[in-house]
Amino acid sequence: GDSVTQMEGPVTLSEEAFLTINCTYTATGYPSLFWYVQYPGEGLQLLLKATKADDKGSNKGFEATYRKETTSFHLEKGSVQVSDSAVYFCALSDPPGSGGSYIPTFGRGTSLIVHP
Amino acid sequence: NAGVMQNPRHLVRRRGQEARLRCSPMKGHSHVYWYRQLPEEGLKFMVYLQKENIIDESGMPKERFSAEFPKEGPSILRIQQVVRGDSAAYFCASSPRLAGGHEQFFGPGTRLTVL
Repeated sequence: GDSVTQMEGPVTLSEEAFLTINCTYTATGYPSLFWYVQYPGEGLQLLLKATKADDKGSNKGFEATYRKETTSFHLEKGSVQVSDSAVYFCALSDPPGSGGSYIPTFGRGTSLIVHP
Repeated sequence: NAGVMQNPRHLVRRRGQEARLRCSPMKGHSHVYWYRQLPEEGLKFMVYLQKENIIDESGMPKERFSAEFPKEGPSILRIQQVVRGDSAAYFCASSPRLAGGHEQFFGPGTRLTVL
């Protein structure tokens, strides 16, 4: 079945540091890939997504590129802020008819802590 | 345009009581998903419903848990005879179409504490 593996946290950085959160996946077919962010006490919000190989999703300074050859979707940001402190979830889901699971599969989440 | 609504936000129950969690999807969304989140763990899929139908309940325990999404009103996740292990955050998500390949919209969650 489908699975998503994220690097374990917490990731602790100083403000303006470079961020990478690794995400790799296994899936049948050609899934869509997502990064969601969860701020304390809140639900998940979509951060960015990519639907096919080599697509780059981007939002709020965050980027991730769909790499089919390495089955990866690593999240990056060039300069983090204290307000980026949150838990980040990598996820995938298969489009209908692709033969995979249409129920989204989430990673365990990676906590990011940014210090001033 | 209201987002996904969940209530209550916090729920405290004693062992053996019943817990009812409500989810109102975004306007125009007919697909609802329930997830459970335990501390230090990711989201675990429980059940996927469309109006008046349970489509996939493969992630929901066979006993004590049930879900519905009636023609009118919110989706309900019901936990009977709660135990301490049921303490968790329960999230509801909705989408306008089957979520495969598409974004889900999440509610703020209900945090259940079983004493």
